[in-house]
Amino acid sequence: SQKIEQNSEALNIQEGKTATLTCNYTNYSPAYLQWYRQDPGRGPVFLLLIRENEKEKRKERLKVTFDTTLKQSLFHITASQPADSATYLCALHRTAGNKLTFGGGTRVLVKP
Amino acid sequence: DTGVSQNPRHKITKRGQNVTFRCDPISEHNRLYWYRQTLGQGPEFLTYFQNEAQLEKSRLLSDRFSAERPKGSFSTLEIQRTEQGDSAMYLCASSLEVRRRNEKLFFGSGTQLSVL
Repeated sequence: SQKIEQNSEALNIQEGKTATLTCNYTNYSPAYLQWYRQDPGRGPVFLLLIRENEKEKRKERLKVTFDTTLKQSLFHITASQPADSATYLCALHRTAGNKLTFGGGTRVLVKP
Repeated sequence: DTGVSQNPRHKITKRGQNVTFRCDPISEHNRLYWYRQTLGQGPEFLTYFQNEAQLEKSRLLSDRFSAERPKGSFSTLEIQRTEQGDSAMYLCASSLEVRRRNEKLFFGSGTQLSVL
């Protein structure tokens, strides 16, 4: 069966350090992968999209990598700030389908 | 552009009652999605529309759930004979699909349903 796995344990990190989150998937051939941020009681907010033919994407302090051989994406927050504390969701769009399927999310807590 | 709007924000109902939620997407968006999310989990796909046509419905969605998008604008999600297991955040999202390239989703703040 198709699975998207993110580390369910919260990631506690010191302000200024780099947070690295992992998204692994099985039995998928995604056309692209997206990362969203979700704050408590709110809907997810789009952050970055990376296509299957791209290795890396950057946006300000955020960086995403996509390895279709390993079936894995890494999401990095550099120079993390307490305001980065949130849950981060990865989501895949299957090549043959049209819906976006989400992983379970990883909660990040940045301590000052 | 005020973003995706969902109403109500919170709904408390008794088991067995019917509830209806409304979603107003971003005006120029042709795709509209419904997701359900429980605490500690990621959003789970329920159904989506391209304009007024419902193109896909999750196999996990029971017959008690129905969604409409009558004029390709706003959408409603109805749950009949609610059960305690229906308690969740119901999220609506919209996107603009252009030439079969459906990219980022814009989410509303959701409707939190509590079934007592």
